Formats: sequence, C-alpha cells, structure tokens
Amino acid sequence: GENVEQHPSTLSVQEGDSAVIKCTYSDSASNYFPWYKQELGKRPQLIIDIRSNVGEKKDQRIAVTLNKTAKHFSLHITETQPEDSAVYFCAAANQAGTALIFGKGTTLSVSS
Amino acid sequence: GAVVSQHPSWVICKSGTSVKIECRSLDFQATTMFWYRQFPKQSLMLMATSNEGSKATYEQGVEKDKFLINHASLTLSTLTVTSAHPEDSSFYICSARGLALFYEQYFGPGTRLTVT
Repeated sequence: GENVEQHPSTLSVQEGDSAVIKCTYSDSASNYFPWYKQELGKRPQLIIDIRSNVGEKKDQRIAVTLNKTAKHFSLHITETQPEDSAVYFCAAANQAGTALIFGKGTTLSVSS
Repeated sequence: GAVVSQHPSWVICKSGTSVKIECRSLDFQATTMFWYRQFPKQSLMLMATSNEGSKATYEQGVEKDKFLINHASLTLSTLTVTSAHPEDSSFYICSARGLALFYEQYFGPGTRLTVT
C-alpha cells in the first residue's frame, strides 16, 4: 500500500521567512496530493492540492511542487505569519474515491 | 459548500460501554466516507472506508467487530465503538467525498472520545 514520508517533523521560522515541507510517496500510481493545515483540536483544512498532470500550483503565499519521477512533492509558504503556525499534513491518493494516506505531520512555528 | 458535521463533538464513557459517532454531509451526497483516528500529536490513521449501501472496508489491524461502521444513506455514516476501553480514547474524524467533489475529501470537526 501507499506510504507517505514527511519532513521535517518540526520547523521554526521567523515571521517573514519562507517555510518548506517535503513529502515522498511510494505508490507510483498516486495522482492526487493535498496539503492540510490542522490547528489544535480542530479538523484538517485543505489549503492546496495538486494532481499528477501538474508540476506546480500556487495560491497567494502557498505553493506546491510535484516531481512524479522522484515521487516527491513539497509545500512552500512564503512571507510566513504567526497565524501560519499549525500542524501541516501532506497526503496522497491513487485515484478518486480512495482514502488519503497521510504523512506524519510537520509542526510549523512562526515567531514574530 | 462541502460541509461535514460530526456528533457528538466530545463524549466521555465508561469502560465496557458502546459509543456511536455520527458523520453527516450537509450539502452534498457522500458516496464514500472515511473514518480516521488521531492520537495526540500524531497523524491521521485511516480506520475504514465505507461506501453507501455496502460493507465497510477496514484497514489492517482495525477490528471490524469493535468498530462498527454503517453507511446507510448518502448523507450519514456512523461509527460505533463497542465495549470501549481506555486505549480507545482518541480523536475520531470522518471525511466525505461526493461524486461532484471527485478527488477532494472534506473533514468533519472530529469527536473526542475519552473512555474512563
């Protein structure tokens, strides 16, 4: 089955800096890669996703890149703000309708 | 759009009792629902996948007789934790996917279960 590895497990940055979180996946059939932000005690919120026919996607300060050959994808947050502090999860799925398999999460701390 | 609710948001029960958690898609028809559990400071672990009108598919290591899942309608799935024990204490989160949403899955707010 699919296995998703996520690094780093914790990340501390200064406000205004960029943050990068990386994930690798094992199943070459995976073709959907969402990123979720989860605040303590709350549900995961989808912040951006990418499908296998796209190499990069950007939404304001957030971008995701995908390298299918290397089977890895990354989340980039620019101009970080304290409210970006949360746990971020990457996930992968190999087709519509199948469950998401999550990475272990990255705790991002943005200090002002 | 794409709102998923869960009830209850938190529950405390005694060891040996059963607890039912409901997951509802409020504004779309959910052909597939997923149940996850999340321990403190850990990731979401998939427990089972349920499709409307059919039996749930459980992940390896998840006891189907202990975690009963029913997906009787396109807007409701239930998870019943039977004979609960303290080690079942966790955050249980459902997610739902509808035909129109294709890949995207939307999560419920979660249920905090504490077994004493």
